[in-house]
Amino acid sequence: GIQVEQSPPDLILQEGANSTLRCNFSDSVNNLQWFHQNPWGQLINLFYIPSGTKQNGRLSATTVATERYSLLYISSSQTTDSGVYFCAVRGAAGNKLTFGGGTRVLVKP
Amino acid sequence: ETGVTQTPRHLVMGMTNKKSLKCEQHLGHNAMYWYKQSAKKPLELMFVYSLEERVENNSVPSRFSPECPNSSHLFLHLHTLQPEDSALYLCASSQGTRNTEAFFGQGTRLTVV
Repeated sequence: GIQVEQSPPDLILQEGANSTLRCNFSDSVNNLQWFHQNPWGQLINLFYIPSGTKQNGRLSATTVATERYSLLYISSSQTTDSGVYFCAVRGAAGNKLTFGGGTRVLVKP
Repeated sequence: ETGVTQTPRHLVMGMTNKKSLKCEQHLGHNAMYWYKQSAKKPLELMFVYSLEERVENNSVPSRFSPECPNSSHLFLHLHTLQPEDSALYLCASSQGTRNTEAFFGQGTRLTVV
């Protein structure tokens, strides 16, 4: 099945810093989503981005499907950005979202 | 009402108990999913239902039994669980199972004692 790798696994930021999270995947996809998991476990939808670039406030994402990667940018980070960020993809023939291992982000005040 | 609602939020059960997890979606979707998140492991798909029919069973032990009575409700019936089944169980829904965005519930944190 499709493999999804996220990097870095852990990231510590000072409040106000910018950062880039990466998601690599092993095969063609027709769906890619970025999620933020809050401390209570809920997965919050950030972006549905099988290709192209999207922006939402301080967050933006870019997926280059032909090169099989996606990037999530966090600008002017805030302590509320702390948590785990997951990338998930759905292969061209699949019914399911396959998740990466996540990037754990800690933003310090 | 939130899009996908799971109950209970927390559950502690003994190994001989029988319990059920419930998921309800208010988004008009026709596909629903169960995922398991164990400590230090990626989220793993357990089951997929599309139009109330199970379309994927990801080699899940029979002590987990899903039920999808209609497109808005999904249950996970639990019996004779093991301590290693302790995890966060997440439900999701989407419109179709291909080029479509999935939305998740808040999860049920299960502890088996």
